[in-house]
Amino acid sequence: NAGVMQNPRHLVRRRGQEARLRCSPMKGHSHVYWYRQLPEEGLKFMVYLQKENIIDESGMPKERFSAEFPKEGPSILRIQQVVRGDSAAYFCASSLSSGRGTGELFFGEGSRLTVL
Amino acid sequence: GEDVEQSLFLSVREGDSSVINCTYTDSSSTYLYWYKQEPGAGLQLLTYIFSNMDMKQDQRLTVLLNKKDKHLSLRIADTQTGDSAIYFCAEPRDNYGQNFVFGPGTRLSVLP
Repeated sequence: NAGVMQNPRHLVRRRGQEARLRCSPMKGHSHVYWYRQLPEEGLKFMVYLQKENIIDESGMPKERFSAEFPKEGPSILRIQQVVRGDSAAYFCASSLSSGRGTGELFFGEGSRLTVL
Repeated sequence: GEDVEQSLFLSVREGDSSVINCTYTDSSSTYLYWYKQEPGAGLQLLTYIFSNMDMKQDQRLTVLLNKKDKHLSLRIADTQTGDSAIYFCAEPRDNYGQNFVFGPGTRLSVLP
């Protein structure tokens, strides 16, 4: 499967635990984006990364959330000390190009986090 | 503000045309996009239009762009039950990357 791969597809955590969501972009893509979809809402941008660099994290909460995209391996979105409001679907997308609006975003199937 | 607006729900009968509307925010957006999300899945690019076009047709899909009013619409001709999904309008957010602002999505229900 050459598409964007996210895992786990479903994750259940209790309040205060940590959640780690992983994303492997499409082959050859070096731009990764994380979006959050709350129930009955659209997608909200969280963070844009290139290999080893965070380009734009303006949509990510300042506390408890962090993201990385190491030289080797998948991109990781980490949520520490989860709260019920973190329950959402987290989508990863990747793109080949970086020019504004000139390419297509390819989405994974999402990781659905439920916080009990 | 930076909100892309869409109506949230649309119901049509199978065989009818569906029209999904969107109001975007940035008049300098070079491309505008429609994405489709089927239940339990990620988003897939459905179609897009370049900002110097007024209309783009692709099989059963017609995209209309009114730059003056920052209004974008997606028409689906001969709507089928398989078209039931959430449709998101999106515009590029920044001058780099594929960082998009998405609308809230229009949930299309196709009735037999």
